Amino acid sequence: SYDLTQPPSVSVSPGQTASITCSGDNLGNKYVSWYQQKPGQSPVLVIYQDSQRPSGIPERFSGSNSGNAATLTISGTQAMDEADYYCQASDSSTVVFGGGTKLTVL
Amino acid sequence: QVQLQQWGAGLLKPSETLSLTCAVYGGSFTNYYWSWIRQPPGKGLEWIGDINHIGSTTYNPSLKSRVTISVDTSTNHFSLKLSSVTAADTAVYYCANTAKVGPTTWFDPWGQGTLVTVSS
Repeated sequence: SYDLTQPPSVSVSPGQTASITCSGDNLGNKYVSWYQQKPGQSPVLVIYQDSQRPSGIPERFSGSNSGNAATLTISGTQAMDEADYYCQASDSSTVVFGGGTKLTVL
Repeated sequence: QVQLQQWGAGLLKPSETLSLTCAVYGGSFTNYYWSWIRQPPGKGLEWIGDINHIGSTTYNPSLKSRVTISVDTSTNHFSLKLSSVTAADTAVYYCANTAKVGPTTWFDPWGQGTLVTVSS
């Protein structure tokens, strides 16, 4: 089975840039999506197809994917961005999620 | 603007069958796939499977033997059945609108989630 690995936690100061990585074998050959989940809420799509932002997602959210890792970058991080973030990839037959990263805005 | 509303039994005994339904409001029911995803308490997300409007399904290999996803295009509903549940199936279950474009898949939006607890 295909595995996606994320760091359990990332901390960032308000106004700074947060980077959350997602690693997998030749991940750059797949498309990656990212989801934000706040406590008690359903996940929300923040990036799809590596770097596309859905309507309504702030421009401070961006994504990239190359080699064996994808990265979600949050520029000018705000307190409201504190949440769990999950990466997700797929192939023709299955979908895989990373284990999630808790982003703390200190 | 697609919205999803889901419902189903929240407490099951071991060996029973989990049954959840998700209603799709707005958007085009025939242009997308429809998925079920679960999240055990305090843990990460696990994709269960998906279906399209003509009933073509794909399941997570780890759950395939116990999962059935079905669709009712007359009511824009789709459903999940998971048989022979155990405590390990305790989770919040989400339905989700699923976009599939070539080799890529993404989920947006998600239903509100249903906590299903398996306990004797």
